[in-house]
Order: sequence, then structure tokens, then C-alpha cells
Amino acid sequence: FILTQPHSVSESPGQTVTISCTASGGNIGGNYVQWYQQRPPSAPTTVIYEDNQRPSGVPDRFSASIDYSSNSASLTISGLKTEDEADYYCQSYTGVNQAVFGGGTKLTV
Amino acid sequence: QVHLVESGGGVVQPGKSLRLSCAASGFTFNYYGLHWIRQAPGKGLEWLAYILYDGSDHYYSDSVKGRFTISRDDSTNTASLEMNSLRLDDTAVYYCVRDGRPLLRSFDWLGVWGQGTLVTVSS
Repeated sequence: FILTQPHSVSESPGQTVTISCTASGGNIGGNYVQWYQQRPPSAPTTVIYEDNQRPSGVPDRFSASIDYSSNSASLTISGLKTEDEADYYCQSYTGVNQAVFGGGTKLTV
Repeated sequence: QVHLVESGGGVVQPGKSLRLSCAASGFTFNYYGLHWIRQAPGKGLEWLAYILYDGSDHYYSDSVKGRFTISRDDSTNTASLEMNSLRLDDTAVYYCVRDGRPLLRSFDWLGVWGQGTLVTVSS
């Protein structure tokens, strides 16, 4: 089970960006998808869990969805701020008790 | 406040062993499953291992199965990762990570991350 993300995306402040996470070797809907933000050199933090849930403290500018037809998940950030510039990772689980990450997407604002 | 603090990283020769520790505070330790995740320099995140909140089971990635062992000591609120037969490509920052919610019998989202400890495998 592999999760593939674009290497990088770029958008201007105030705009909206979407980062994709495409699954291969399995069904994206088989397990929940999470999204993590990492501003190097800090540790990652969760921005989305269980496909589309936001932990407390994460602004509602962050949203996510699953597209079963394309076997992919998407993270959407609206009203971009310079502070959103970071690496974003999708994460899910295989069917054999293992977690898996996408390769990460560098967002430039 | 919830904290995870990793320690034990350093420089080690190929083929040698190293034990990482993760000291937890600010929450009921034996209620939560724990993961180890690493990040090689300039690379992405790689999940390595998970231990259930009660220590009754643990799971590993294919890349470390048979070489690494995850454990926990609820009396000291500490988790560990024993790493054997280290290779050059094990060089990474190693993160200890707590499940998002307590008392689950399977993986949960990665709720709390430590700041990581750097392991460098070099001759």
C-alpha cells in the first residue's frame, strides 16, 4: 500500500491550495487518512485525522476529503497564510498492522 | 502539559546496537499506544513500530522487523526502541509519538510527537 503526493505546490497568500494523496496497492477508503504539518526542523503536528476531522486548535481553513473514484485523499487550505508554509504528509494504514506515510509535499506560500 | 522526550541518540558504528528512550509526562501513560517514527536527513517520515497501550502486542515495519524491538515500562512512564545491526541507512531523527486517543486496541492518529533524537550510523 503506497501513498503518493506531489513533491511541491505553491500558491499566493489568501488563495486556496489542495494537496493530493493517491493510494495504490489498496483502497483509500479501507482505513482513515490523516494529515500532518511539519515546519522543519520541528516535529510534525496533526492537522486532520480520520479523513476530515480537525484537532482542537487547528483553524477551519484546513479541510480534507476522500475521493473514492480516484482512490485519493485531499487536504485543502484556504485563505493561505505565510505561516502555512511547511511540509505536509498524508498517512494511513495497511491491512497488516502497519502505518504508512506519503512522501510529503512542500507547500510554498 | 503533555510531553514526550526522546533520548539515547548519538553516533554509532554499522552493525552495532543502540537503545532509544522516550520519557512521557502530563498524561496517563498506560492508557495510550506509542509509535516510533523516523526521518532521514532531508527525507520524509517513516513509521517503524507500535506498541499497544497495555503492551499486549506490537507491530513493525518490514524495514526494521527482526532488528528493532519496541517496549514500554509503565512503572517509569518510558518507552524504548532497541535497535540492533544498525546500518548506514538507519541514520535519522527518531520520534516517539503517542496515539491521539486512549485505550484503543489498534492504531489511532498520531496525536502527540516528541522533538526527536538524532541517530547517526557511521564508521
